[in-house]
Amino acid sequence: NAGVTQTPKFQVLKTGQSMTLQCAQDMNHEYMSWYRQDPGMGLRLIHYSVGAGITDQGEVPNGYNVSRSTTEDFPLRLLSAAPSQTSVYFCASRGIRGAETQYFGPGTRLLVL
Amino acid sequence: DAKTTQPPSMDCAEGRAANLPCNHSTISGNEYVYWYRQIHSQGPQYIIHGLKNNETNEMASLIITEDRKSSTLILPHATLRDTAVYYCIVRLIIFQGAQKLVFGQGTRLTINP
Repeated sequence: NAGVTQTPKFQVLKTGQSMTLQCAQDMNHEYMSWYRQDPGMGLRLIHYSVGAGITDQGEVPNGYNVSRSTTEDFPLRLLSAAPSQTSVYFCASRGIRGAETQYFGPGTRLLVL
Repeated sequence: DAKTTQPPSMDCAEGRAANLPCNHSTISGNEYVYWYRQIHSQGPQYIIHGLKNNETNEMASLIITEDRKSSTLILPHATLRDTAVYYCIVRLIIFQGAQKLVFGQGTRLTINP
């Protein structure tokens, strides 16, 4: 299994540009989520999904959209990037039965100028 | 939501046991305690979790107090590669068995040679 994969690894955007951060997992996990991590801080939950077609907001959802058309993929969209969205973004997945652990991707570093 | 409190930083000598404390005084009866760590720039890595009883795996031991208001993660023989930020997390139940992990700021553990 590749686990959780994220693309791209690095991205530079100009203010107002849009882009999609890709996340995929091959573990047939129902639950997927997106976090952002700013320097010196812990991870903050942006959006999450408990299955295909089901998404919900986390702690810091503003400025981000998500969709979950398949179990494997959970893309994160920035419609109009702002410098405040400069951060490292992590995608994660887990099963929803019992106390299953969460697996994280390697992260996407985003710089918005 | 149960929140956690951890010291911002700790040091430990290589080869000694590293004991990382965590307070979670508002934890409810059906919430698990999870520990993750994040080595510089990488995605968080699962370490261990528990509900009431002490737990041990190949990476660490988890000691949960009888009243469940605090816990300690023990790395029995710390190595330089254990230098990381360690997160103590209480799992939050959303619905239908789905959970989200809320990360605090964690403890930055430095293993010294």
